[in-house]
Amino acid sequence: AQKITQTQPGMFVQEKEAVTLDCTYDTSDQSYGLFWYKQPSSGEMIFLIYQGSYDEQNATEGRYSLNFQKARKSANLVISASQLGDSAMYFCAMRDQTYNQGGKLIFGQGTELSVKP
Amino acid sequence: DTEVTQTPKHLVMGMTNKKSLKCEQHMGHRAMYWYKQKAKKPPELMFVYSYEKLSINESVPSRFSPECPNSSLLNLHLHALQPEDSALYLCASSQDSQTGLSYEQYFGPGTRLTVT
Repeated sequence: AQKITQTQPGMFVQEKEAVTLDCTYDTSDQSYGLFWYKQPSSGEMIFLIYQGSYDEQNATEGRYSLNFQKARKSANLVISASQLGDSAMYFCAMRDQTYNQGGKLIFGQGTELSVKP
Repeated sequence: DTEVTQTPKHLVMGMTNKKSLKCEQHMGHRAMYWYKQKAKKPPELMFVYSYEKLSINESVPSRFSPECPNSSLLNLHLHALQPEDSALYLCASSQDSQTGLSYEQYFGPGTRLTVT
């Protein structure tokens, strides 16, 4: 069965430092996609970055990069130069190519990141 | 425009009330989703509409009734809810639900529902 594991319930980072949020996944499909979302206290889920299982390069979007290690089934999010506005809950999610799942995203439990000034 | 809008932002209702949540997107997306989210937990999928037809119902109680009047609108009708139904209800849309693994879901700001 598909599963996403985020082992860090909460993390602190100093402003301007880099931080890595861990995510491991489990799927028997060869074709799948991995997503990271940010959810501030306001509630809206904000899409950050996507990595496809066949992508050879690690995805990057501005200060966000995804450290994709396929053999280890890990997809860690790296945030460089943390800002106070990065304080939020972060969810790792996966979608695999199982037709009947209809686009269903499997979410991890989330990591609450707090950026200290 | 990557915006998904939801109304109302907050809703307080009694257990005998009937209310509706609304969601709208103008991105031409053909898949729309309802999620329920409790505090500090991941969103839980409730329903998926694909090309205006209900494609997934995650065994949601019948007191929640979804409706997709057209490709841009998604409603969630609420009736005889319980206090444990209090949660953040998120709507999302994506280009498609059956193809395209890379199609990210765009979420609205949510409706915070309190059932008294």
